[in-house]
Formats: sequence, structure tokens, C-alpha cells
Amino acid sequence: KAGVTQTPRYLIKTRGQQVTLSCSPISGHRSVSWYQQTPGQGLQFLFEYFSETQRNKGNFPGRFSGRQFSNSRSEMNVSTLELGDSALYLCASSLGAAEETQYFGPGTRLLVL
Amino acid sequence: DQQVKQNSPSLSVQEGRISILNCDYTNSMFDYFLWYKKYPAEGPTFLISISSIKDKNEDGRFTVFLNKSAKHLSLHIVPSQPGDSAVYFCAASGRNSGNTPLVFGKGTRLSVIA
Repeated sequence: KAGVTQTPRYLIKTRGQQVTLSCSPISGHRSVSWYQQTPGQGLQFLFEYFSETQRNKGNFPGRFSGRQFSNSRSEMNVSTLELGDSALYLCASSLGAAEETQYFGPGTRLLVL
Repeated sequence: DQQVKQNSPSLSVQEGRISILNCDYTNSMFDYFLWYKKYPAEGPTFLISISSIKDKNEDGRFTVFLNKSAKHLSLHIVPSQPGDSAVYFCAASGRNSGNTPLVFGKGTRLSVIA
């Protein structure tokens, strides 16, 4: 079975721009969660989608949004990028809800200049 | 308020010896705990998990111990190998309380010295 895939793997943007990241979960997995990782901060939960519905949202500003499609693929969008948004964005999928074991993709490294 | 804490940011161990990574949690609703390993520029890889109905789970060289009364879990790696050098994250969730995503600690960097 193919693992979680994320595209693109690397991205450079400038302040004020917006960005869309994509995640394809493991086949059969219905839950997709997104995390932001910055040095020294561990994995900060962004949001979780299950069957196209947002089930949980972390403590991030409204500039961060996401969605899930009927095939369980998910996208996250960040608008009006700030320098502090530079991070590794990780997507994880799980069979059922997000409290189950999650399997991570390789991440998208975003650099905001 | 950090609900999952890994108080040691780093740990160095000699090859062949035991590595013990520790994790504390504060939320008594947590009933499912996981350990992930992460190499640079890769996503975390699931290692081992434990449900709160158990106090120990073993998988090869990896054993996780759970002490519910102390709200503490630990990951033991025996014997440690140079390839185990990575950042280890502890995570917890409340499966039975429902609708709670995984909460991660900040990680412990393990260096296994040959």
C-alpha cells in the first residue's frame, strides 16, 4: 500500500502571498490531520478532517484553512503569508478518527521570504 | 499549557546499551499513547503504541511502559543502535472520550554513539 503523499515537497513564497498544500492519505483512510512543525516547538495541530468535515481545529489564525474531498484527499491553504509561517507542514492519515494511530507523509517544507 | 511533556530535549547513549526516553502527561482523559521516530527532512514514523488498559507493550527492541497513576510513560530501546539516532516524539489521545486529536510532546533527540 502506498503511504501518505504530500505535494509539493518544498516551496518558497514571499510575505503576503498565499499557498496551497496537498495531501493524499493511505488508501482506505478517512481521516486527515495537518500539523505544523517549527524548531523547538514539536508538532502543533492545525486541523483534522473526517469524511469531508472538519472535526477539530487547533489554535491557529483564520489565515490557515483546509478542506477534504470525497476521495479523502485534503488540501490546506495559508493566506497572507508571514515570515513566521516558515515551517515543515505535515499531513497524517488514520483509518478512522484522528485519535487512532496516525501515519505521516514526508511533509512540505515552506520558506517564506 | 503543555499536556504532553518530554523534559529531556536530548539524550546520548552508547551503542548496545539501553536508551530510555520519558514522557509525562497531565490530561487524565488520555487513554492511548504512541511513540514516533523522526529523521531530518522526513515525516514521523509510527513506532509503538499502548492503550491505558495495559502497562507494557513490546515490539522487538522497543518496549513502552505506562504508569497511569504517575501519568508517565517511557520508551525503552534495547540494544540501542546507531540507526536509532533520531528525534522521538511521544503522543497521546483520548480515544474513549472521543473527538480528541493526538497531542504531541516537543521531542527528545537521541544520539547513539558507536
